[in-house]
Amino acid sequence: GEDVEQSLFLSVREGDSSVINCTYTDSSSTYLYWYKQEPGAGLQLLTYIFSNMDMKQDQRLTVLLNKKDKHLSLRIADTQTGDSAIYFCAEKSTGRRALTFGSGTRLQVQP
Amino acid sequence: KAGVTQTPRYLIKTRGQQVTLSCSPISGHRSVSWYQQTPGQGLQFLFEYFSETQRNKGNFPGRFSGRQFSNSRSEMNVSTLELGDSALYLCASSPLSASSSYEQYFGPGTRLTVT
Repeated sequence: GEDVEQSLFLSVREGDSSVINCTYTDSSSTYLYWYKQEPGAGLQLLTYIFSNMDMKQDQRLTVLLNKKDKHLSLRIADTQTGDSAIYFCAEKSTGRRALTFGSGTRLQVQP
Repeated sequence: KAGVTQTPRYLIKTRGQQVTLSCSPISGHRSVSWYQQTPGQGLQFLFEYFSETQRNKGNFPGRFSGRQFSNSRSEMNVSTLELGDSALYLCASSPLSASSSYEQYFGPGTRLTVT
């Protein structure tokens, strides 16, 4: 079945760039998403990319997709303490509307 | 536009009881999906409703059920609660138009604790 994997933890200093990585197995993935979850809250959709794109930029966020290697990354420029949260990668494959989520990467931003 | 709303936000129930959770999607969104989030299993898909019909179902026992009303509001029900049902239940709505990217917008969740 589909599988999405992420590293568990990332620590960066305020002002640095953060790069959160994700790999997936389903070659029929059509859309890939990044969500942010703060403590006690639901998931906030940050951005998404269609599988025929290589890159998408949205203000401080840059998504890179390597479809050949099934690798997705989220770069956050000028990381702030308010970016501290858990970041989830998710994919949607052809014929399914349910999203498959990774286990989440906890981003810790140190002042 | 108002976001996805879920009620109640917190719930404590006893084993064997049943519970009903409610979700109101973003105005104009016709698809509602439910997910269970636990520390051990992460985010798992429960089911999706569109036009009052269940369209997709995850790998959960029949104790978990749901429905959708004509105004797109949805409810999910869990009968005969078990300790392992303690989780954050998240509802997500999607516009599902022909040009949409199937993005899902989540509500704040209902935290269910089973004792």
